[in-house]
Amino acid sequence: GESVGLHLPTLSVQEGDNSIINCAYSNSASDYFIWYKQESGKGPQFIIDIRSNMDKRQGQRVTVLLNKTVKHLSLQIAATQPGDSAVYFCAELGNKLTFGTGTQLKVEL
Amino acid sequence: DGGITQSPKYLFRKEGQNVTLSCEQNLNHDAMYWYRQDPGQGLRLIYYSQIVNDFQKGDIAEGYSVSREKKESFPLTVTSAQKNPTAFYLCASTQGRRFGNTIYFGEGSWLTVV
Repeated sequence: GESVGLHLPTLSVQEGDNSIINCAYSNSASDYFIWYKQESGKGPQFIIDIRSNMDKRQGQRVTVLLNKTVKHLSLQIAATQPGDSAVYFCAELGNKLTFGTGTQLKVEL
Repeated sequence: DGGITQSPKYLFRKEGQNVTLSCEQNLNHDAMYWYRQDPGQGLRLIYYSQIVNDFQKGDIAEGYSVSREKKESFPLTVTSAQKNPTAFYLCASTQGRRFGNTIYFGEGSWLTVV
């Protein structure tokens, strides 16, 4: 039968602080990872991506770190703003596009 | 403009009915995907297709069916066998693992059982 999905974990941060959102992946053969932001009732928005031959990649106010040894991905958001409040998902693109559980980021004023 | 279009945005289904959600892309992408999202939860893969006339089951395929007769179209049918179909459904397409925003998502379809 259909499995029950997990409710999203929540990360609460103060405005102006840095946020770190974590993601574990299971497929050691995955070679391309993406972070998405999703606002309620909308499709995911691309934030940043990284290939498996990289450990770190930076964008505007965001940094993605990849640790292949422990199959872990993180998204760092600098100087978090109220507009950053959303659900954040990591995804891996191998022979199919698979999403992680997601984290609800709440920015407190 | 190139993009991916889902329709309808909102759909109501009566008990025992089959309904079909449309997903069309004009990006010439080979791969297309369908996801289900329940409130406060993540995206779960229903079906995916890497190429026309071929598709594979995802993690929660039971009660759903798809077809891929044309490259640009990947409709999802929610059958009466799906006992809890009320959810937000997202379609996506991609042409592969290139840097940048190469995975496109539709705006989503809300399905409610009445």
